[in-house]
Amino acid sequence: DIQMTQSPTSLSASVGDRVTITCRASQTITNYLNWYQQMPGKAPKLLMYAASKLQSGVPSRFSGSGSGTDFTLTISSLQPEDFATYYCQQSYSTPWTFGQGTKVEIK
Amino acid sequence: EVQLVESGGGLVQPGGSLRLSCAASGFTFSNYWMSWVRQAPGKGLEWVAHIQQYGSEKYYLDSVKGRFTISRDNAKNSLSLQMNSLRAEDTAVYYCGRDIINGYLQLSYIEYWGQGTLVTVSS
Repeated sequence: DIQMTQSPTSLSASVGDRVTITCRASQTITNYLNWYQQMPGKAPKLLMYAASKLQSGVPSRFSGSGSGTDFTLTISSLQPEDFATYYCQQSYSTPWTFGQGTKVEIK
Repeated sequence: EVQLVESGGGLVQPGGSLRLSCAASGFTFSNYWMSWVRQAPGKGLEWVAHIQQYGSEKYYLDSVKGRFTISRDNAKNSLSLQMNSLRAEDTAVYYCGRDIINGYLQLSYIEYWGQGTLVTVSS
């Protein structure tokens, strides 16, 4: 199985900050990398797919990059509604696997 | 509007069985792969299984193979997960999801998620 490792596991940031979350795959996954946001008690929501494609309706302050094994999710200017947990997920091969999550908290 | 509504969760004893359902609406159900993903209390997301549009291909997480069966009824716009020989470690919220899988464009992801149904395996 492909292991996905996110860092950091949590971070504290202020509104307006630039935030970067990284995700590393245990083997190449080309660009089969997706990002999800999960609010407490809610279902996950798709943010980015194919590493860098923004899902319809997601604000442009979110961006993704990377290919192969190393990927990043960047929030250019953190907003109050962005405080949540973020998960990367590989869909290169089954079983699809997720990173352990990065909790973004208010500083 | 795409809607996915899970049902069937509850408390079950270890070794017992439970059948989860997901009612889909707002889209042509038979055009999409569908997934089950779970989340243990306070933990991360874990993909469980998914099924091709007409059920001819099914893939499972190793730890549920032989115990869980994913199926669908396109006439009823319904996805199911039959869970047998349940263990304490199967305790989780189970989400159904609509997949996008396009080999030509090299895309695959879970586009929409239901709100989940809680399964608790405990004596």
